[in-house]
Amino acid sequence: GQQVMQIPQYQHVQEGEDFTTYCNSSTTLSNIQWYKQRPGGHPVFLIQLVKSGEVKKQKRLTFQFGEAKKNSSLHITATQTTDVGTYFCWALGKLVFGAGTILRVKS
Amino acid sequence: DVKVTQSSRYLVKRTGEKVFLECVQDMDHENMFWYRQDPGLGLRLIYFSYDVKMKEKGDIPEGYSVSREKKERFSLILESASTNQTSMYLCASSQTGTGTFFGQGTRLTVV
Repeated sequence: GQQVMQIPQYQHVQEGEDFTTYCNSSTTLSNIQWYKQRPGGHPVFLIQLVKSGEVKKQKRLTFQFGEAKKNSSLHITATQTTDVGTYFCWALGKLVFGAGTILRVKS
Repeated sequence: DVKVTQSSRYLVKRTGEKVFLECVQDMDHENMFWYRQDPGLGLRLIYFSYDVKMKEKGDIPEGYSVSREKKERFSLILESASTNQTSMYLCASSQTGTGTFFGQGTRLTVV
């Protein structure tokens, strides 16, 4: 199936540092969704982006959809230990998940 | 809140057994999905369904089949379980245009 590349695979940050994960596709995406999975849990829907260049915020989380609708990013400002988990992007039109970025936060 | 319920959290089966994983959602969603999740491989789509009695193959359908006789229920069937099907299985449902809601997952071990 179509691939959505997600980077980095893993990031370990100090509490208070920022964190960003990126999803990239070689083809245009109709929309993209972001999910968070806590250790031992199941993926939980965070947000959906549909429009070219769209930016959405949820408290310390900022989501962006590229102008060409081929990439997206999730940025966390001032990470906290509660942010620990794996963050996935999901290209809805292609029903493909990115491989996920594992975030670990040192307190 | 949307609830997606998987019948078992943990399951241990023997090689060659026929295994049924059941999933029920309570929000009248059209779309239902089965994924498996393995370390280093992420979430991979096995099958999905966008309507009753409709099914579509995902990326890794081999060794699996599905059944959707009622809108709220989507079953995953392992015809003859093998050790390489040991995995975490996640069911999900969605309505077009909304987020996707996942069940708690079934950790299946085939011995």
